Amino acid sequence: ETGVTQSPTHLIKTRGQQVTLRCSSQSGHNTVSWYQQALGQGPQFIFQYYREEENGRGNFPPRFSGLQFPNYSSELNVNALELDDSALYLCASSLAVGLTQVTQYFGPGTRLTVL
Amino acid sequence: DQQVKQNSPSLSVQEGRISILNCDYTNSMFDYFLWYKKYPAEGPTFLISISSIKDKNEDGRFTVFLNKSAKHLSLHIVPSQPGDSAVYFCAASALRQNFVFGPGTRLSVLP
Repeated sequence: ETGVTQSPTHLIKTRGQQVTLRCSSQSGHNTVSWYQQALGQGPQFIFQYYREEENGRGNFPPRFSGLQFPNYSSELNVNALELDDSALYLCASSLAVGLTQVTQYFGPGTRLTVL
Repeated sequence: DQQVKQNSPSLSVQEGRISILNCDYTNSMFDYFLWYKKYPAEGPTFLISISSIKDKNEDGRFTVFLNKSAKHLSLHIVPSQPGDSAVYFCAASALRQNFVFGPGTRLSVLP
């Protein structure tokens, strides 16, 4: 059984650019959630995908978007990058039965720096 | 407005003693709570959870207590070990949907 993996591990972009982050879910999981963790803070929920559809969204603007693929891997896309987007982006996968999730398991994260 | 609060940014404990990490929440709809541990350069690792129908859950050295009337939970680690040194996050959810995390408490266990 493989765990949650994320790529790349580190990324440097400039303001206004676009970025795509990738996540492979743990085997058997059908739900993926994305979080943004700024320095010194806890993870902030961005959105969740269940069976390839968005299933909940936090307080993030539309320039944060995502996809979930049939193999349950996922992408997070951020357009028009701003300096405040610099953070650790965490992906978490879980098994949801109906609306109920079992515990989320996190990947190691992608550290995004926006200059 | 923070729905999940961890008011102690850091905590130092001697090896072998008890570590008590605290968490408060404001949303009365939360019915499922978790604790995660995070080492540098790694994602958070699940430790233990508790449902609102219980007031205590144990797993080895880790025990979580829930006081629903006070909207407070705590994580007890006994005995504390140097390998427990990490940042601990409390998280809460309603109906096990979107999880809300606290800001974390950095635990240092001194040999």
